[in-house]
Amino acid sequence: NAGVMQNPRHLVRRRGQEARLRCSPVKGHSHVYWYRQLPEEGLKFMVYLQKENIIDESGMPKERFSAEFPKEGPSILRIQQVVRGDSAAYFCASSPSRGGINYGYTFGSGTRLTVV
Amino acid sequence: SQELEQSPQSLIVQEGKNLTINCTSSKTLYGLYWYKQKYGEGLIFLMMLQKGGEEKSHEKITAKLDEKKQQSSLHITASQPSHAGIYLCGADTAGGTSYGKLTFGQGTILTVHP
Repeated sequence: NAGVMQNPRHLVRRRGQEARLRCSPVKGHSHVYWYRQLPEEGLKFMVYLQKENIIDESGMPKERFSAEFPKEGPSILRIQQVVRGDSAAYFCASSPSRGGINYGYTFGSGTRLTVV
Repeated sequence: SQELEQSPQSLIVQEGKNLTINCTSSKTLYGLYWYKQKYGEGLIFLMMLQKGGEEKSHEKITAKLDEKKQQSSLHITASQPSHAGIYLCGADTAGGTSYGKLTFGQGTILTVHP
């Protein structure tokens, strides 16, 4: 019973390139959350998605960042024209219901993005 | 100021010693989650608490949520080197009827010396 799968585990991009981070939730989970962990900072919520819908993107930077969770396939976090400040660990979590009440959240191992 | 405060920020103990990590919120906690993170790795779910006064245990780790639901503690009995890592508390302060995006504390770095 696979957990949340994130790939790649490590991603290196040059400034100005695009970064695509993938997240496959636990089988049967239809709610996906993305978090970012900047160096020396805690985990910060970015976006909450259900299949084909963005429910809450209040934590997403206004520019260059976008997320989707299509009907088929993994959730994608896309960062366009990356800058050094985007270097961080990006974690995806999933839950079987809205929020984590009763069931909790399962986190993936993260994608560590380094912008050079 | 930080919505969720963890203390201490770091902790160094000798193997076999007991220890406690605290997580204090400025808001009512509708769900409190404890996770452990090894450096450079993902989050491992430990426990979830919802009700005031609730206490849960798993192996040598016990977590409690106080009656007023604004503080939680994580207690490790007879610590082992395998307990070393970063302990994170995550809270749902949005209310039980809404989706819960978690607010996390800064983490407590635990080192256990053999």
